[in-house]
Amino acid sequence: DSGVTQTPKHLITATGQRVTLRCSPRSGDLSVYWYQQSLDQGLQFLIQYYNGEERAKGNILERFSAQQFPDLHSELNLSSLELGDSALYFCASSGGGASTDTQYFGPGTRLTVL
Amino acid sequence: DAKTTQPPSMDCAEGRAANLPCNHSTISGNEYVYWYRQIHSQGPQYIIHGLKNNETNEMASLIITEDRKSSTLILPHATLRDTAVYYCIVRGKMEYGNKLVFGAGTILRVKS
Repeated sequence: DSGVTQTPKHLITATGQRVTLRCSPRSGDLSVYWYQQSLDQGLQFLIQYYNGEERAKGNILERFSAQQFPDLHSELNLSSLELGDSALYFCASSGGGASTDTQYFGPGTRLTVL
Repeated sequence: DAKTTQPPSMDCAEGRAANLPCNHSTISGNEYVYWYRQIHSQGPQYIIHGLKNNETNEMASLIITEDRKSSTLILPHATLRDTAVYYCIVRGKMEYGNKLVFGAGTILRVKS
């Protein structure tokens, strides 16, 4: 158990819909990262937040957005869903300080868009 | 972040040591080598990381060559539960953390 929790575990929805994925980092971790893993793209970095502020962006679509709240949990919002958005979405957290930078991953949310 | 090259797959007999190689010839002096693994569709699991010196923890050992252009992850006594995709990642450290760039990794199959 990494200490990172993600909800829900599974999500099935239809094209055009909007969903929210939630992540709670390990206690004390300030950085939260979101990754997407699809069959054809592998594990790809989407976005990072550090102590409430966006710090880095990867291949995140404009239809996707994220935020980190004052209690440090994070949410990834996916809208106007398409079939190709079906994937595993992982959240990871790290302390944020360079010396405690190891990322620990949650169990993921499996999103299926029908 | 420097790129890494790993063999696509490897087999290992249960109870034997599994040695997983990784080439990172363009690694910079301040970049670390990290190893993660992913068992089926679970979240990637951190294994070990190092900068220059060899490292060992309860899961594995990491051997980094003197020129730092390659490394080897060693699982001393592989079990069936070690069957997974193993990722070697090179990354620098930043004050607020730094993303991980995953390649295709090595599929390790441990066989009885």
